[in-house]
Amino acid sequence: DAGITQSPRHKVTETGTPVTLRCHQTENHRYMYWYRQDPGHGLRLIHYSYGVKDTDKGEVSDGYSVSRSKTEDFLLTLESATSSQTSVYFCATLDRAMNTEAFFGQGTRLTVV
Amino acid sequence: EDQVTQSPEALRLQEGESSSLNCSYTVSGLRGLFWYRQDPGKGPEFLFTLYSAGEEKEKERLKATLTKKESFLHITAPKPEDSATYLCAVPIHGGSQGNLIFGKGTKLSVKP
Repeated sequence: DAGITQSPRHKVTETGTPVTLRCHQTENHRYMYWYRQDPGHGLRLIHYSYGVKDTDKGEVSDGYSVSRSKTEDFLLTLESATSSQTSVYFCATLDRAMNTEAFFGQGTRLTVV
Repeated sequence: EDQVTQSPEALRLQEGESSSLNCSYTVSGLRGLFWYRQDPGKGPEFLFTLYSAGEEKEKERLKATLTKKESFLHITAPKPEDSATYLCAVPIHGGSQGNLIFGKGTKLSVKP
């Protein structure tokens, strides 16, 4: 698991409430990523970080924000959760930009009711 | 547009029945093709990276190969414990190795 811990592992929340998911890594990897996985779509990139306080948008970033104040932590926030954000969220880390592979956490299953 | 397509969506095999999974891709300037295995309720687990056409990598009963347009994951004499969803991914053009486009996966079931 490359020392990646996601929390919580499961969460049920109501529409319109803010939600924050946490990814914590112990590998000192520079790059961190948030993906969502939905039936029929596969894994899609939400946001990523290439260093502390350096973040950028991925393919499906609308409705999400991220923050990275420390190397080891990458937070994903749903400002106002909607039912379309019901999904399984995965965090991944990467040691360097090239000639390496990303390692994934165990996922957070989020249900918005 | 960068794209990854996997086939078949699902594959059912008898134990010992060898087969292959396909991953076709279109990307500007391939910088690696990744294979992952995902078990239910778990995150993707890295299997292989292939960087150039003609390259092959093996791990136990799995062998991955790469051409200029597609990759194959060959499974030789599979066992029930090989049952999982196999994912293929390529880096987005201009992005790091973690900015990935994934195929939708092939769900493999191996029956004893």
